[in-house]
Order: sequence, then structure tokens, then C-alpha cells
Amino acid sequence: GEDVEQSLFLSVREGDSSVINCTYTDSSSTYLYWYKQEPGAGLQLLTYIFSNMDMKQDQRLTVLLNKKDKHLSLRIADTQTGDSAIYFCAEASGGSYIPTFGRGTSLIVHP
Amino acid sequence: KAGVTQTPRYLIKTRGQQVTLSCSPISGHRSVSWYQQTPGQGLQFLFEYFSETQRNKGNFPGRFSGRQFSNSRSEMNVSTLELGDSALYLCASSPTTGEINIQYFGAGTRLSVL
Repeated sequence: GEDVEQSLFLSVREGDSSVINCTYTDSSSTYLYWYKQEPGAGLQLLTYIFSNMDMKQDQRLTVLLNKKDKHLSLRIADTQTGDSAIYFCAEASGGSYIPTFGRGTSLIVHP
Repeated sequence: KAGVTQTPRYLIKTRGQQVTLSCSPISGHRSVSWYQQTPGQGLQFLFEYFSETQRNKGNFPGRFSGRQFSNSRSEMNVSTLELGDSALYLCASSPTTGEINIQYFGAGTRLSVL
């Protein structure tokens, strides 16, 4: 079945850039998503990218997609302490379009 | 517009009991999905309802069931609770029926089974 892998932790200094990586196995993935979960809250959609794109930029967020390697990354520029959260990568393919989520990367931002 | 509302926020039950969780989607959203989130397994898809019909189902035992009402509100039920059912249960609603499936999540119901 489909699988989405992420590293569990990332620690960065405030003001630096953060890069969160994700790999997936389903070659028919059509949509790829990044969600953010803050303590005590549900998941919040940050951005998404279609599989026919290789980059999407939205303010401080840049998503890069390497479809050949099935690799997705999320870059957060000028990371702030308020960006500390768990970031989930998800992919969905044709048919049900139900997203499959990775286990999440816990981003810790140090002052 | 109000977000996805889940009630209750916290529940404590004992093994063998049953529990019902409720989810009110964003107004106009007809698709409601349920997920179980645990530290060990991450986010696992339970089921999706659309227009009062279960449209997709994850790989969970029959003790987990759900339903959707005509106003799109949804409930999920877990019968004969086990310790391993302790988790955060998340509900998500979506405005579309397919293609791009942007899901809007509630804050979840944290279930503890003792």
C-alpha cells in the first residue's frame, strides 16, 4: 500500500530556514499536501501541490516536488518560534482521493 | 464561518464500554472523514461519509462504525472499548466530492480507555 515517510524531529534557530523532507511510494499520487498541527489542535492545511508541478511558493513557504524520486520538501524561510509545531506530509491519488499521512515532523525553533 | 466542531473534547472510558463521538462539519461541506491519531501509528483513516453514505473505509475492525445525518453532522461509535483505542480522534470535513480533497480538521476528541 501507499507509504509516506518523514523524519521525526527537526531543530532550527530562529531566523534560519527550515527544510522538512518527505518521501512517498505511490507513483500515481496526484496531490501532495503539507499540514501543520499545533498542540491541542487539529491539522491545518498549509499548502498543496499538484503532481504536474515541481515548485510552489506561498509567502515564507516553498514546496519542492521531485516526482522522479517521489520526494517532497517544505521550506520555511525566516523560521519563527511560532512555527514550532508538527508538520505532516500527505499524498492522495485518483479514486478515493483520501490523503495518506506521514507520521509528522516535530519542528522545534530555538530563540 | 464556524470551523469543524467536535464534541466532547475529552472522554475517559473503561474497557468494554462503548463511546459515541460527534462532529459538526463546516456549513456546506458534505464530506466528513474520521481519523485516529496515536503516537505509534500516526494518523490512520477510519472512514468517510458523503450524503449519509459511507463512501470510503479504512482498515479498522467492525467495532468502529459511523453515520452521517441529513444535515451532514456525523457520529462515530466504538463498541467494546480496548486499551489500544486510546487516541485522539479527528474529524475532517471537505467541500468537494473528489479531485483536490482539502480537508478542514476539528480539534479532536481525546479518548482515554482505562
